[in-house]
This record gives sequence, structure tokens and C-alpha cells, in this order.
Amino acid sequence: DIQMTQSPSSLSASVGDRVTLTCRASQSISSYLSWYQQKPGKAPKLLIYAASSLQSGVPSRFSGSGSGTDFTLTISSLQPEDFATYYCQQRYSTPLTFGGGTKVEIK
Amino acid sequence: EVQLVESGGGLVQPGRSLRLSCAASGFTFDDYAMHWVRQAPGKGLEWVSGISYNSGSIGYADSVKGRFTISRDNAKNSLYLQMNSLRAEDTALYYCAKASSGSYDLPSDYWGQGTLVTVSS
Repeated sequence: DIQMTQSPSSLSASVGDRVTLTCRASQSISSYLSWYQQKPGKAPKLLIYAASSLQSGVPSRFSGSGSGTDFTLTISSLQPEDFATYYCQQRYSTPLTFGGGTKVEIK
Repeated sequence: EVQLVESGGGLVQPGRSLRLSCAASGFTFDDYAMHWVRQAPGKGLEWVSGISYNSGSIGYADSVKGRFTISRDNAKNSLYLQMNSLRAEDTALYYCAKASSGSYDLPSDYWGQGTLVTVSS
């Protein structure tokens, strides 16, 4: 199985900050990576698919990059509604594994 | 509007069975693959199982393989998860999610609100 490792596990940031989250795969997954946002008590929401494609309706301050084993999710200017937990997921092979998540908290 | 409504969760004893259902509406159900994803209390997301649009391709997490069975009834716009030999570590909120196309290895673009399964004696 492919292991997905996210770092950091949590971070504190201020509104307006540029934030970068990292996801690393245990083997190459090409660009078969998605990012999800989850707020407390809510279902996850798809942000990015195919490593860098923005899901319809998602603000352009979110962007994804990377291929192979190393990926990043960047929020260019953190907004109050962006405080949440972010998960990456690979779809290169079954089982489709998630990373452990990065919780973005208010500083 | 896409709607996914899970049901069938509850309290069950270890070793017993439970069947989850997901009623889908607002899209052409038999065009899309579907997933079950779970989240233990206070923990991260775990993909459980996926099924292609025509049930021709199915996948499972190692943790549930041989115990859980995913299925769908396209005539009823419904997704199911039969869970047997339940264990305490299966306790979680179970989400039904729609894939972005017909293959289950695609991302989930819509999610239900989940149904809680608690395995305890």
C-alpha cells in the first residue's frame, strides 16, 4: 500500500498569511493526488485534483503543485473560512490512501 | 442538487453485522462510481471501499477486505456497505461519496453527512 505523509500535522497562521502544506507519497504516484478540506462537524470538500487542477467553485487562492512523491497545497492569502483540516489522497493504486491531515489553526 | 443521504448506522456488538445504505439524488447515479470513506472519532479520513458505475470494478482497504462488501443498485439509486464481523476499530462516521466519473479511483466531488457506527459490547 502507498503511504501518504502530511506535514506539518498542525500549524498556526494569521489571516492574510501565505500557507504551504506538504504531502509526501511512499512511492511515485505521478500526479494522481487530490486535496480535501474538512471543517469541524462537516463532510470533506474537494479542493484540488490531479495535483494541480482546481475543483469548480473553489477560490483561486488555493493552488496545488507537485508530481512523483512530493506535493504541496498553497493558500496564497489565508481567509477566516480557511481554518480547517486538509487531507491529501492518492488515487494511483488501490487502496486509495489519505494522509493524516494538517490542521490549520488561527494564530 | 446532488444529495447523498446515508442510513443504517447504530450501536452494534463486536462480531455482529450491519448494512449501511446511501440514497443518491440530483445526478445520474449509474454514470458515476461511488465510495465509502470513514472517520473514527477525532481521527483522520480512511478510504474504505469504492465501486465503479456498473459494479464491474471494486476495491477495498486492507482493514476491511474479506469482512465488508460494497454494492449498488442503479435502479434504486442506492449504494450499500455490508459490514460483517465488526470490530471496535470499525467505530466511525461512515461517509458515502460520489466519484467525479465512472471509475472508482477518481476523487470524490460530493459527500453525504455520514452515518455513525459504534461497535461496542
